[in-house]
Amino acid sequence: DVVLTQSPLSLPVTLGQPASISCRSSESLVYSDGITYLNWFLQRPGQSPRRLIYQVSERDSGVPDRFSGSGSGTDFTLKISRVEAEDVGIYYCMQGAQWPRTFGPGTKVDIK
Amino acid sequence: QVQLQESGPGLVKPSETLSLTCTVSGGSISGYYWSWVRQFPGKELEWIGYIYYSGSTNYNPSLKSRLTMSIDTSKDQLSLELRSVTAADTAVYFCVRDYFGLDSWGQGTLVTVAS
Repeated sequence: DVVLTQSPLSLPVTLGQPASISCRSSESLVYSDGITYLNWFLQRPGQSPRRLIYQVSERDSGVPDRFSGSGSGTDFTLKISRVEAEDVGIYYCMQGAQWPRTFGPGTKVDIK
Repeated sequence: QVQLQESGPGLVKPSETLSLTCTVSGGSISGYYWSWVRQFPGKELEWIGYIYYSGSTNYNPSLKSRLTMSIDTSKDQLSLELRSVTAADTAVYFCVRDYFGLDSWGQGTLVTVAS
């Protein structure tokens, strides 16, 4: 199975400041169709995960533009330009390029 | 906006079968893949498998020997059966629409395996 490694695993942030989470894959996430299937999710406390980003950098409907995804091959990043209180929770990356789908261990973001 | 609601017993005995249903509303069940994902107490997520509206399936190899998924498009329902459960199967189970990768999630249902 593809192993996803996230860093850091814990990220205390200051409101209004930027934040960045890394996701690295044990194998390339470029599928045979040329598309890279890497998603980002946010799970707020007490809620289900919500997809924020798909195909590396495509924001889902309703996701604020302070969230951005980038990367290629095996190395990916989720950036929050200015952290707001509602951004607290656990962030997961997930790959859909190979079966079975696998998730990263999660990065817990909270406010300093 | 599509809504998904999982239902089923919250407690299952070891060696028995875990059975869950997911009811889809606010959107069509046809034309989509539907996945099940579980979240262990430590917050790790595991993809269980998917079923297409046509009935074709793709299971996680780690669970394949114990797993059956089915779909009833007339009732807009999905079902999951996991046999011979152990305490390691204790988790919150989510039903998820799989459109370019897990775009809409149910609220999840906690299943505890204990005697």
